[in-house]
Order: sequence, then C-alpha cells, then structure tokens
Amino acid sequence: SAVISQKPSRDICQRGTSLTIQCQVDSQVTMMFWYRQQPGQSLTLIATANQGSEATYESGFVIDKFPISRPNLTFSTLTVSNMSPEDSSIYLCSVIPDRGPDTQYFGPGTRLTVL
Amino acid sequence: AQSVSQHNHHVILSEAASLELGCNYSYGGTVNLFWYVQYPGQHLQLLLKYFSGDPLVKGIKGFEAEFIKSKFSFNLRKPSVQWSDTAEYFCAVNARGATNKLIFGTGTLLAVQP
Repeated sequence: SAVISQKPSRDICQRGTSLTIQCQVDSQVTMMFWYRQQPGQSLTLIATANQGSEATYESGFVIDKFPISRPNLTFSTLTVSNMSPEDSSIYLCSVIPDRGPDTQYFGPGTRLTVL
Repeated sequence: AQSVSQHNHHVILSEAASLELGCNYSYGGTVNLFWYVQYPGQHLQLLLKYFSGDPLVKGIKGFEAEFIKSKFSFNLRKPSVQWSDTAEYFCAVNARGATNKLIFGTGTLLAVQP
C-alpha cells in the first residue's frame, strides 16, 4: 500500500474563488488520480494526474475548471477554480503503487464547502 | 458504459447478525472487483479485492465476497457483525487492463446496534 496525505483536510470558501488541494505520497508512484464525492453520491473520477504531461480528464471535467499539476512522482495538486456551491464535495486523491497489482489506495480527502 | 449497483443504501443490524451487501455490475468484459470501507471519520480503505482465481475471496476483519460471473455480482458477507463494523461500504469495478478508472457504487451505510 501507500501512505497518502492531503492538505487541507477541509475548507470553507466563497463563491468565485479557487482552492488548491495538495496530495503527497510516501513513495514514488506512476499512477495518481483525483476523485470527487458529492454529497450523498458515490466517487467519480475527475482525472489521471500524469507526471511530466497534462492530466487526462474524464468526460464532464475540464482543465480550466480543475487544473492539475504533477511535478514529480510523489506529489500532485488539484485546483477547483471559480467555485460555486455545486462544487461542495469531498475531493480525494488515489494512487496505484508501482509494485502493487492494480489496486488503488486513497488519501483522507479534502472536504470543501462553497458558500 | 460500466456501472455498479448497490441495492441497499442503508442497513441496520444488531450485533452478531449476519451481513450480506449486494453489488451488481454491468460490463461485458473481464473485470477486477473491489470492496472499500469508510469508517466514521476515517479515509477509504480497501476491504478486499478479486482479480482472478477462487471466486470466494477473504478480506480483512472477517469479511468475504463471492464473485458470481453469471450474475455479474460481487456480494459482501460477514457471518457476525460487530458494532465496530459501522461504516459505509463501497463496491467498485474496473475493466481489466484499464486500471485508471474505478467505477463505484453509491455505497451502503451500515449501522450496527450494540
């Protein structure tokens, strides 16, 4: 497995502002992902964070709204831009350890409330 | 498109009762199957997984799940629940070879009463 930390753990933000969420892993991993869990709903993949290249976004998610950086193999950020109350969710990063067989491990999540 | 259905959204049991949480998926190809658990105030943790082989897989804390290919099901079971099993349980699927996209069910909130 992998030890994953996220910052901040929670935040309350005003409409129209942006928030950057950090994800740090205790070992180098190739595969890192960002998910969203809206209130009362399941987890949905936002994008795959690729090291050294642009992130790969899932249908319904765009780079302008959710820019992602992946400067190295242990760190990534997700920015939620120009926020609205509909962006209130838990945002989670996950990784697949390079030595692990196709199993994703999740960080603790960032609980975002947009007023 | 792949999808995952969890039939029970909220389950309430007494301690020592048996548990079975249903999970069905729709996908025509070969899949990897997972159950994750989120205890109150904690992050999502892997409970068990199935990739191939014996369709009855055992996970942590006495949980097991059975893959029935003909029914596209991967139900989670525990013979005797404890108060500490109170948590939200998520079934997830990905297509074999497409490791980046986990499709999650909507989750089942289990409350175990002492």
